Amino acid sequence: SQQGEEDPQALSIQEGENATMNCSYKTSINNLQWYRQNSGRGLVHLILIRSNEREKHSGRLRVTLDTSKKSSSLLITASRAADTASYFCATAGNTGKLIFGQGTTLQVKP
Amino acid sequence: GAVVSQHPSWVICKSGTSVKIECRSLDFQATTMFWYRQFPKQSLMLMATSNEGSKATYEQGVEKDKFLINHASLTLSTLTVTSAHPEDSSFYICSAAPSAAADSPLHFGNGTRLTVT
Repeated sequence: SQQGEEDPQALSIQEGENATMNCSYKTSINNLQWYRQNSGRGLVHLILIRSNEREKHSGRLRVTLDTSKKSSSLLITASRAADTASYFCATAGNTGKLIFGQGTTLQVKP
Repeated sequence: GAVVSQHPSWVICKSGTSVKIECRSLDFQATTMFWYRQFPKQSLMLMATSNEGSKATYEQGVEKDKFLINHASLTLSTLTVTSAHPEDSSFYICSAAPSAAADSPLHFGNGTRLTVT
């Protein structure tokens, strides 16, 4: 079953702009992860934030987590055409299984 | 490191035949692997958890006799779609984690595009 919602479903921006994607989930979690998927390919892990963390950075990525609202956001700064992909949040509970959100399709126009 | 290889990358088969998809962890051992299914422009749906040396754990609504999973070694899990039908056409992706730690990210294969005619 799906964990929750991501919004927006699709996002189109110009190169150099920032892109923000949001994810909501329903159950308690150990951590929340963000993945990227290029069309027709597998997923690549971007960043993991633990349930006791509120914000995390990795290069041009910034992730926030609000466990009281059961939500997370992924910010990509200074976007590039190569960032064009689908982005998924995924939550991990005690079982080790990852449950994915619906995803956001990002298009960065050069 | 932590590479997961999936084979084949695409396969076309006739209705009623069976198809086997392999998932290998190339540089680490994986006692647990996960199989996902993805329809076009949709998210990944977890099908089953593959456990080395024991039976797979299937998610609700996934037919275990339809989707046979075998995890015979610490580096190989296979998914066999039996008696395939056009509605089984989908993108199947496997994943594994190098560590059993709760915060170990998953590494994914590149997926298998199955088309049943």
